[in-house]
Amino acid sequence: DSGVTQTPKHLITATGQRVTLRCSPRSGDLSVYWYQQSLDQGLQFLIQYYNGEERAKGNILERFSAQQFPDLHSELNLSSLELGDSALYFCASSELDFNEKLFFGSGTQLSVL
Amino acid sequence: EDKVVQSPLSLVVHEGDTVTLNCSYEVTNFRSLLWYKQEKKAPTFLFMLTSSGIEKKSGRLSSILDKKELFSILNITATQTGDSAIYLCATRPTSGTYKYIFGTGTRLKVLA
Repeated sequence: DSGVTQTPKHLITATGQRVTLRCSPRSGDLSVYWYQQSLDQGLQFLIQYYNGEERAKGNILERFSAQQFPDLHSELNLSSLELGDSALYFCASSELDFNEKLFFGSGTQLSVL
Repeated sequence: EDKVVQSPLSLVVHEGDTVTLNCSYEVTNFRSLLWYKQEKKAPTFLFMLTSSGIEKKSGRLSSILDKKELFSILNITATQTGDSAIYLCATRPTSGTYKYIFGTGTRLKVLA
């Protein structure tokens, strides 16, 4: 167990809908990262927050947004869902150290039908 | 554009074999390279490498980095069925962000 908690584990929804994925980082970790993993794309970086502030942005669609709250948990909001958004969404956390490693949650499997 | 390329994409071996997984990278101002093992869902950390030529070892697994040639290898000796997984390589550039760039992974299957 990495100590990173993601909910829900599975999500099935329809095109056009909006969903929220939740992540609680490891105790003491200030950084939260969101990644999308699909079969042909591997792990794609979406966005990173540190202590409530956005620190880095990857290939995140405009339909997607995220935030990190004062208690350090993070939410990833996906709206106007399309079939191609079906993927495994991971949250990871780290201590913001010089050479920190990432601790991943078990992911949320999103299926858009 | 920063990128990480892993090879082979997949590999099938028998128990007891030794395997070598490759990771090459092109990143701006390289900082570190990490290896992860992904069995079912969550990738789990294996190694972090920052310096060339220093081998990291953990049991039957070992890894080394070559910063001149921009690659790393992950060796697994005396493979077991429990080594079956996707092995991911990631790098972190020092381009002002904390973005990790992952390769697509090598899918290893070890047959009994």
